[in-house]
Amino acid sequence: DAKTTQPNSMESNEEEPVHLPCNHSTISGTDYIHWYRQLPSQGPEYVIHGLTSNVNNRMASLAIAEDRKSSTLILHRATLRDAAVYYCILKYSSNTGKLIFGQGTTLQVKP
Amino acid sequence: AAGVIQSPRHLIKEKRETATLKCYPIPRHDTVYWYQQGPGQDPQFLISFYEKMQSDKGSIPDRFSAQQFSDYHSELNMSSLELGDSALYFCASSSGVGRTGMNYGYTFGSGTRLTVV
Repeated sequence: DAKTTQPNSMESNEEEPVHLPCNHSTISGTDYIHWYRQLPSQGPEYVIHGLTSNVNNRMASLAIAEDRKSSTLILHRATLRDAAVYYCILKYSSNTGKLIFGQGTTLQVKP
Repeated sequence: AAGVIQSPRHLIKEKRETATLKCYPIPRHDTVYWYQQGPGQDPQFLISFYEKMQSDKGSIPDRFSAQQFSDYHSELNMSSLELGDSALYFCASSSGVGRTGMNYGYTFGSGTRLTVV
């Protein structure tokens, strides 16, 4: 399975942008890059996903490097409710569809 | 919008007892996934079902079994419970996984917290 590498933790100030990096140097051409987040005692929540092009939705933006070996999740204005563990996951374009969670990044947001 | 419903939310069982966790996916979602998350750990994939057939299997103990029913809800059956089975159990659902090349975000339920004493 292709692996991702994320920093263990990051801090941000409220209302400032946050850039959460993810390295995935062994990504294959058919792997999609998914981001999920998990708030304490809650189930993981889908944030965004992409293949090659940058993606935007109401929650965040996903910037994908041209060689696809890294990506960055961008929260444009962090709020206290964005404090969570953020997981970067490579998902095969296959019939099984499972998500394999690795070590994510714990984001702390300071008021 | 309807979400993934899991029941019960909390469950306390004694060692060697059995437990059944239920998951009701989002309507028209045909794939269900089960995950186990121990204290301070990341979610671990257990098993998945697509169109009522097992589609993949992860680190699920032999004491556990699961199935997906005709209405697409799924149940995780756990027997001979051990203290180490205490965890949060999440169910997720998605649509269209069976078609190669399709890729969607998954929706997770709020989980069942199982405590074995």
